[in-house]
Amino acid sequence: GAGVSQSPSNKVTEKGKDVELRCDPISGHTALYWYRQSLGQGLEFLIYFQGNSAPDKSGLPSDRFSAERTGGSVSTLTIQRTQQEDSAVYLCASSVLDEQYFGPGTRLTVT
Amino acid sequence: GENVEQHPSTLSVQEGDSAVIKCTYSDSASNYFPWYKQELGKRPQLIIDIRSNVGEKKDQRIAVTLNKTAKHFSLHITETQPEDSAVYFCAAPNAGGTSYGKLTFGQGTILTVHP
Repeated sequence: GAGVSQSPSNKVTEKGKDVELRCDPISGHTALYWYRQSLGQGLEFLIYFQGNSAPDKSGLPSDRFSAERTGGSVSTLTIQRTQQEDSAVYLCASSVLDEQYFGPGTRLTVT
Repeated sequence: GENVEQHPSTLSVQEGDSAVIKCTYSDSASNYFPWYKQELGKRPQLIIDIRSNVGEKKDQRIAVTLNKTAKHFSLHITETQPEDSAVYFCAAPNAGGTSYGKLTFGQGTILTVHP
């Protein structure tokens, strides 16, 4: 079946602009996660959605970052007033139990 | 929250040798320990995982061992092949918190297998 998909695959934006990153999880997966991976670094947890529960936003680095999940499926990560330090690969994952399946990521470059 | 330390950061072996990567975790309540492989420019993919009710799990050339007393777990790759070259990440859940399923990842190990 279809895996996790993300769009766009690459995004170049100017400092100060807002960006939206999209994640389509695997159908039926109740949990959805956003991670950030800077060049040569590990995966940094950002936010986690589980069913209809309130999201765990404990990993969001600043109030410029927000995310929503509509209808328990598609999720959008929004970064407002982008900064150069926001440049990274943003990975989405979904799961139904423990195993998390990752999307291909969105490479964000802030110039 | 959980804290995961992974060593070594880089590992270079000859084809056919074994490779071992070790991780330690801080939350004694953690009960699920996955390992992910990430090839250059690709997404992380789960290669093996272990739960706290067993001490070892094998899948062909890869195995994972868990020592809950010492709070560490290791990935073992035998008979390494060039296609094993990748970045490997260990992870542990924040089981003690309110968000079951959220993972804390180690910093990764760059494994290079020389032909």
